Amino acid sequence: DTGVSQNPRHKITKRGQNVTFRCDPISEHNRLYWYRQTLGQGPEFLTYFQNEAQLEKSRLLSDRFSAERPKGSFSTLEIQRTEQGDSAMYLCASSLAPGRGAQYFGPGTRLLVL
Amino acid sequence: KQEVTQIPAALSVPEGENLVLNCSFTDSAIYNLQWFRQDPGKGLTSLLLIQSSQREQTSGRLNASLDKSSGRSTLYIAASQPGDSATYLCGLPQDFGNEKLTFGTGTRLTIIP
Repeated sequence: DTGVSQNPRHKITKRGQNVTFRCDPISEHNRLYWYRQTLGQGPEFLTYFQNEAQLEKSRLLSDRFSAERPKGSFSTLEIQRTEQGDSAMYLCASSLAPGRGAQYFGPGTRLLVL
Repeated sequence: KQEVTQIPAALSVPEGENLVLNCSFTDSAIYNLQWFRQDPGKGLTSLLLIQSSQREQTSGRLNASLDKSSGRSTLYIAASQPGDSATYLCGLPQDFGNEKLTFGTGTRLTIIP
């Protein structure tokens, strides 16, 4: 399977703990995106990379959030000092660049902060 | 700022019927639009990508149309099946070269056997 993969699929943590999620994009895709989705809403953009460069961060991405994409391959999203409001589905997507290709999404990581 | 609306929020139809899902957007200067389906607790599955230069795009029983001037796209599903039950989302990129997607809240479709 050459689709986008995400790990873990589910994460339950206590408030105040740090969590890290991983995304492996489709191998030839050099753009990688992170989105967050809460119940009943569409995904909201968090950040995106072209190769290893982080090109944009949403205002939703507070100082507690950090994302990396070392060597332009997989990406990690870390949330420090988690809060209950961080509970959501975190989705990763990848696409070819530049221009007009589709974005392909992974299965998501569902985070529950107790 | 692009705003995307999907109405209705939920739709139930008997199996076998044809149906249309709607996606409206405020900024007509788009360069493509993507339709997705999402099953409960799962990620998004890309269904169709329609470029701004196209008026229609077809894949199997699905047909997406795009009318930029009126700020609308529709997803037509022919001969609906229970397996089509899911939430359908449309997503539009910010602009060329900045492809973060703005999504609607989706239409939750239920096909009644």
